[in-house]
Amino acid sequence: DIQMTQSPPSLSASVGDRVTITCRASQDVSGYLNWYQQKPGKAPNLLIYAASTLQSGVPSRFSGSGSGTDFTLTIATLQPEDFATYYCQQSYNIPLTFGGGTKVEI
Amino acid sequence: EVQLVESGGGLIQPGGSLRLSCAASGLTVSSSYMSWVRQAPGKGLEWVSVIYRAGITYYADSVKGRFTISRDNSKNTLHLQMNSLRVDDTAVYYCARRGSMATGTPGQYYYFMDVWGKGTTVTVSS
Repeated sequence: DIQMTQSPPSLSASVGDRVTITCRASQDVSGYLNWYQQKPGKAPNLLIYAASTLQSGVPSRFSGSGSGTDFTLTIATLQPEDFATYYCQQSYNIPLTFGGGTKVEI
Repeated sequence: EVQLVESGGGLIQPGGSLRLSCAASGLTVSSSYMSWVRQAPGKGLEWVSVIYRAGITYYADSVKGRFTISRDNSKNTLHLQMNSLRVDDTAVYYCARRGSMATGTPGQYYYFMDVWGKGTTVTVSS
């Protein structure tokens, strides 16, 4: 199974900050990497797929980069509604696997 | 509007069975790749199972042999039959549609879960 490791597990930030979350795969997943946002008590919401493609309706302050084993999610200017937990997920093969999550809090 | 609505969760004793349902609207379950994903209390996301358009199914090792994914095309509904439930199966269970985008290489696609239900809670406890 492909292990996905996110860092940091949590971070404190302020509105207006630039935030970067990293995700590392235990083996090459090419560009088969997705990012989700989850708010408390809610279902996950797809932000980015194929490592860098913004899902329709997602604000342009979110961006993704990387390929192979190392990936990054960046929030250019943190907004109040961005405080949430973020997960990466590889879709390279079965079983699909998620990172442990990064909680972005004030 | 595309929507998935899960149901069937509840409190069940260890060793018991439950059948979850995921009713779809705005999409056709039989022509979609559909997954179940769960989240234990205070924990991260864990993929559980997928059913392909052709009916091929895959499972996480943690549920293999105990859970069965299926679909009822006439009702446009996805199911998850859960047997021999254990305390560590306690979680919110989400159904999700797998979307796809061509990579540019013929026959290859990027896959992602782009439509999610709100989830149904399963609690396994004596």
